Amino acid sequence: NAGVMQNPRHLVRRRGQEARLRCSPVKGHSHVYWYRQLPEEGLKFMVYLQKENIIDESGMPKERFSAEFPKEGPSILRIQQVVRGDSAAYFCASSPGLAGTSTDTQYFGPGTRLTVL
Amino acid sequence: GENVEQHPSTLSVQEGDSAVIKCTYSDSASNYFPWYKQELGKRPQLIIDIRSNVGEKKDQRIAVTLNKTAKHFSLHITETQPEDSAVYFCAATAGNKLTFGGGTRVLVKP
Repeated sequence: NAGVMQNPRHLVRRRGQEARLRCSPVKGHSHVYWYRQLPEEGLKFMVYLQKENIIDESGMPKERFSAEFPKEGPSILRIQQVVRGDSAAYFCASSPGLAGTSTDTQYFGPGTRLTVL
Repeated sequence: GENVEQHPSTLSVQEGDSAVIKCTYSDSASNYFPWYKQELGKRPQLIIDIRSNVGEKKDQRIAVTLNKTAKHFSLHITETQPEDSAVYFCAATAGNKLTFGGGTRVLVKP
């Protein structure tokens, strides 16, 4: 009964490098969400994806950040040219996308803690 | 967009007492209100949720109430135990984008 999986759990990058975060949803879930949590703060929505489609990216910074959820494989959150302010915990959540339900329950992964040196 | 306010930011209670956390939201279209518990360094875990067609929901020591007219909802934990110590987040949504409150750090003193 595997839940949401994220890897790596910890990632250290130097300023200017790229960070690639992966998320495998619960088996059978077709909806994926990414949230960012700064130290001592709440979670902030970044992006909502379904297979091969970005549904809502209103929380994504306009530059350097991108996300995808391909037909096969995990969802990827990519941060190019990282800066110190990108240091945070990045959580992925998934939901089943039940027909007839306007809002699904979201289950969170363990997060990736990104540290930018 | 949705805005969720959560109070208090910290809450210290004696073991066995009750804890109450309150949240308000701004978007009257919001219809789903989950509560998550997050221990240090861990993932947020869903502990209870409520949808706008009910006013109250209970699961053992945890209960949530919802007042759609006033746009607020509350989490009640009775008979608190040391393992209830964590940060609790409320959230609200009208679709699939959760807007979280700022969190309440709960400390249960033995």
